[in-house]
Amino acid sequence: AQSVTQLGSHVSVSEGALVLLRCNYSSSVPPYLFWYVQYPNQGLQLLLKYTTGATLVKGINGFEAEFKKSETSFHLTKPSAHMSDAAEYFCAVTPANGQNFVFGPGTRLSVLP
Amino acid sequence: DSGVTQTPKHLITATGQRVTLRCSPRSGDLSVYWYQQSLDQGLQFLIQYYNGEERAKGNILERFSAQQFPDLHSELNLSSLELGDSALYFCASRPTGAGNTIYFGEGSWLTVV
Repeated sequence: AQSVTQLGSHVSVSEGALVLLRCNYSSSVPPYLFWYVQYPNQGLQLLLKYTTGATLVKGINGFEAEFKKSETSFHLTKPSAHMSDAAEYFCAVTPANGQNFVFGPGTRLSVLP
Repeated sequence: DSGVTQTPKHLITATGQRVTLRCSPRSGDLSVYWYQQSLDQGLQFLIQYYNGEERAKGNILERFSAQQFPDLHSELNLSSLELGDSALYFCASRPTGAGNTIYFGEGSWLTVV
């Protein structure tokens, strides 16, 4: 069975500061990993994903994440936060067979002026 | 625009009533997922269909049911509604293939009064 944990249900950063949102997963098989963002009153949209190949993946809006198998982590980072980054962020995992797309509980990011 | 269409966008109904939420997946996507999002429970997986057949079941109440039709659209039926069923219900679709992204609709806001 797979599961996803996201450390910190709410993270606050100042505008221009580093954003770090943590995601750890458990999976009995090599997983595919995703980050989604949800802006207020909208559906979830894909930020980035890792399937195979390079472990550092770049996504939209300047976000990137690094897959670390030894740490079972897939943390999301952005060097400099912008006010428009304020949203809810969800980490998700699915096994290679494509079943059971599992989401973490989400982390709400606030960006302070 | 993700290509996943959900109707209605907003719905207000009384306790004890029954409602049907409709979802049209992206063209060609065989997998449809339903999720419930509420403030206290977060994003909860309800059920998944693949090409008309139920593929996975999550935390779906017995009062809730779903189906996927031959044209691949899906409906989520919620009956004997309670105040606690008030939530945002998302439909998502996914193309066949390992590692493929799941695409979310904008959701249907259900308010039970």
